Amino acid sequence: DQQVKQNSPSLSVQEGRISILNCDYTNSMFDYFLWYKKYPAEGPTFLISISSIKDKNEDGRFTVFLNKSAKHLSLHIVPSQPGDSAVYFCAAVNQAGTALIFGKGTTLSVSS
Amino acid sequence: GAGVSQSPSNKVTEKGKDVELRCDPISGHTALYWYRQSLGQGLEFLIYFQGNSAPDKSGLPSDRFSAERTGGSVSTLTIQRTQQEDSAVYLCASSPTRSWDTQYFGPGTRLTVL
Repeated sequence: DQQVKQNSPSLSVQEGRISILNCDYTNSMFDYFLWYKKYPAEGPTFLISISSIKDKNEDGRFTVFLNKSAKHLSLHIVPSQPGDSAVYFCAAVNQAGTALIFGKGTTLSVSS
Repeated sequence: GAGVSQSPSNKVTEKGKDVELRCDPISGHTALYWYRQSLGQGLEFLIYFQGNSAPDKSGLPSDRFSAERTGGSVSTLTIQRTQQEDSAVYLCASSPTRSWDTQYFGPGTRLTVL
């Protein structure tokens, strides 16, 4: 039973447009969420995080939105660049704060 | 300075054999994490260490998996009696303190169980 779900396996966007990657979770007790980016044959890199006390966190071209009532978060990338093409993982910290629970990832392709 | 290193980079083994995967964290990082990514699957968190202790081992997939960390530095992940479903890329990360935001990942060890 997946506690963190990324229902879109892939997303294609044109350069300069907005990319929106979605993530849903089932446990309302989760209170910290992260997004990671992963290129092939490399380890993931941390992108941005959000605590449940906020509904938005912004870092440059990346913004994460959290809707606690819907148990949904999204990552917006504006403007999208070809170098953003990668697999994006959403993750939640478990209640005990001892583990990360990941979604299965969304592959973003940005075409020039 | 040097990043997180993992060895071997690739390991092919026969079903039933034991394997040891090694992770050298960034010097001075007190927290160390193990993950794996199976083919077609997302990232799966396995275990983390704060210093030499692992407060939660429930992420390890079975009792064939064990991990240790000695001297607050190098960690080994051991898989006993490997099965084909253990085939995956095993990733290690470290962070200066226990922080999910500041993890630096190694390149991973690709394990193939024949």
